[in-house]
Amino acid sequence: NAGVTQTPKFRVLKTGQSMTLLCAQDMNHEYMYWYRQDPGMGLRLIHYSVGEGTTAKGEVPDGYNVSRLKKQNFLLGLESAAPSQTSVYFCASSYQGGLKREKLFFGSGTQLSVL
Amino acid sequence: KNEVEQSPQNLTAQEGEFITINCSYSVGISALHWLQQHPGGGIVSLFMLSSGKKKHGRLIATINIQEKHSSLHITASHPRDSAVYICAVRLGFTSGSRLTFGEGTQLTVNP
Repeated sequence: NAGVTQTPKFRVLKTGQSMTLLCAQDMNHEYMYWYRQDPGMGLRLIHYSVGEGTTAKGEVPDGYNVSRLKKQNFLLGLESAAPSQTSVYFCASSYQGGLKREKLFFGSGTQLSVL
Repeated sequence: KNEVEQSPQNLTAQEGEFITINCSYSVGISALHWLQQHPGGGIVSLFMLSSGKKKHGRLIATINIQEKHSSLHITASHPRDSAVYICAVRLGFTSGSRLTFGEGTQLTVNP
């Protein structure tokens, strides 16, 4: 099993360009999350999904959109990139087994630089 | 004040030492996670706690709900334990509720 796979691993954008980050999981997890990690701050939730076809805003959703058309895929889009979106992005998934059985699985991260 | 505070921010130890990393939180929670972030950036889940204590190999995690405090202990530390250790708390009672993360503790274990 691959677990959680993120692509791409690195990307450099110019201000105003758009891009999509892809997250795929092969564990049949219901819940998927997109986080960003910035120096001196903890991971912050951008958007999340509790099942196919559903998405919800997290802590820092502005400037991002997401889609969950298939259960195994969770896409994060930047429509018009800004330098403030320079960050490391992590996708994660978890099994909907109730809180006592929850375990998070993370992708390897995407380093995004916006010039 | 952050909802999740970790201490220390940085910790350097000699191989074989017993290590403790602390996590304090300010509100009631339903669960607490300990994560390990490798030097290459990948993040691995170590423990999920809602009460008591869990042990896996040389790692032990405890939580005191009344005192809003958790500790991660590493016995007989080894250079391969060098990583950032992250505490995260779940504020709500469903898996969709938000996790709040601490800033992490950078651990370096020297041979």
